Amino acid sequence: NAGVTQTPKFRILKIGQSMTLQCAQDMNHNYMYWYRQDPGMGLKLIYYSVGAGITDKGEVPNGYNVSRSTTEDFPLRLELAAPSQTSVYFCASKQAGTGELFFGEGSRLTVL
Amino acid sequence: RKEVEQDPGPFNVPEGATVAFNCTYSNSASQSFFWYRQDCRKEPKLLMSVYSSGNEDGRFTAQLNRASQYISLLIRDSKLSDSATYLCVAEGDSGGSNYKLTFGKGTLLTVNP
Repeated sequence: NAGVTQTPKFRILKIGQSMTLQCAQDMNHNYMYWYRQDPGMGLKLIYYSVGAGITDKGEVPNGYNVSRSTTEDFPLRLELAAPSQTSVYFCASKQAGTGELFFGEGSRLTVL
Repeated sequence: RKEVEQDPGPFNVPEGATVAFNCTYSNSASQSFFWYRQDCRKEPKLLMSVYSSGNEDGRFTAQLNRASQYISLLIRDSKLSDSATYLCVAEGDSGGSNYKLTFGKGTLLTVNP
């Protein structure tokens, strides 16, 4: 099992550009999440999904969109990138009824 | 009030020391609690779950006090390899769902030789 795979690992964007962070898991987990982590700050939940076709906003959803067309994939879309979106993004998944979150290795995004 | 609040740290301790981290949570409906470890520039990984009766895993002991909404992690005989950020996590919301996990900001531990 590869676990949770995120791509790209690093990306530099210009203000106003858009991009998609990819996330895939091969553990057949129902729940998937996108977090962002800024220096000295905890993980903030952007969006989450409890199953294919179902997504919901977390604490900081503005400027982002997600989709969950399959159990495996949960891409995060940034429209009109802004410097405030410079951060490390983590995708995670877990099985319903269990507590352990499995994280991807993270995607470091810089918006200049 | 932050949902999950931890000691701000950082903690700098010598090898062999005992160190304790504290965490409080504001949502009384939270049902499950965890400690995660995050190494520098890496993803968080589960260290241990926290049970009401307290639980131990080698040098690590976790305690939960539901009445005080307080969670702790004790590390005994600390090793250089324990240097990391420790994240306190609460799961569950007032609706009874178990999919929302809230992270504290983390406490940085550095163990010195």
